[in-house]
Amino acid sequence: KAGVTQTPRYLIKTRGQQVTLSCSPISGHRSVSWYQQTPGQGLQFLFEYFSETQRNKGNFPGRFSGRQFSNSRSEMNVSTLELGDSALYLCASSLRPTVGRGNEQFFGPGTRLTVL
Amino acid sequence: GENVEQHPSTLSVQEGDSAVIKCTYSDSASNYFPWYKQELGKGPQLIIDIRSNVGEKKDQRIAVTLNKTAKHFSLHITETQPEDSAVYFCAASYGSGNTGKLIFGQGTTLQVKP
Repeated sequence: KAGVTQTPRYLIKTRGQQVTLSCSPISGHRSVSWYQQTPGQGLQFLFEYFSETQRNKGNFPGRFSGRQFSNSRSEMNVSTLELGDSALYLCASSLRPTVGRGNEQFFGPGTRLTVL
Repeated sequence: GENVEQHPSTLSVQEGDSAVIKCTYSDSASNYFPWYKQELGKGPQLIIDIRSNVGEKKDQRIAVTLNKTAKHFSLHITETQPEDSAVYFCAASYGSGNTGKLIFGQGTTLQVKP
């Protein structure tokens, strides 16, 4: 069974640009969560999608947005990039929009975004 | 508020020794506590988890203990091997887990010396 896939794996952008990252969950998984990982702040929750609906959002500015498609694939978008947006963006998938035994979250390899 | 404190930030042990990583959470409603291992260039990998109705769980060389009263949970790795070297993250469910949101600790870099 294929794991969570994220594309692209690496991305270099300049300040002011926008970027779109993609995540394909494990087959059969319908819930997708996004996290930002930085050395200073660690892993921080961005948002969560289930059935094409955003169910939860972390404490990030409106420049960060996302969506989910009917096949459960998800994208996140960051507009007007800032230097501080440089991070590893991780996607996690699970069967349902909860966490717990029998509904574990599995992470993809991440997209490394560098903003110059 | 939602917060998970993790200690130590770095841990160096000799191969064969045990390693212990400790976490404290703030949300008394949290009821699910996974541990992830992250190797260089990879995403976090779930290695063990525990629910709040269980005090201890073991899987081969890895065990997790939970003290819900004190809001503490710990990861124990016995007979460490060089391949255990990685960054380990503890996490707690946000609230009672009726959401996919996890609150993560800051991570522990474990180095196992051969």
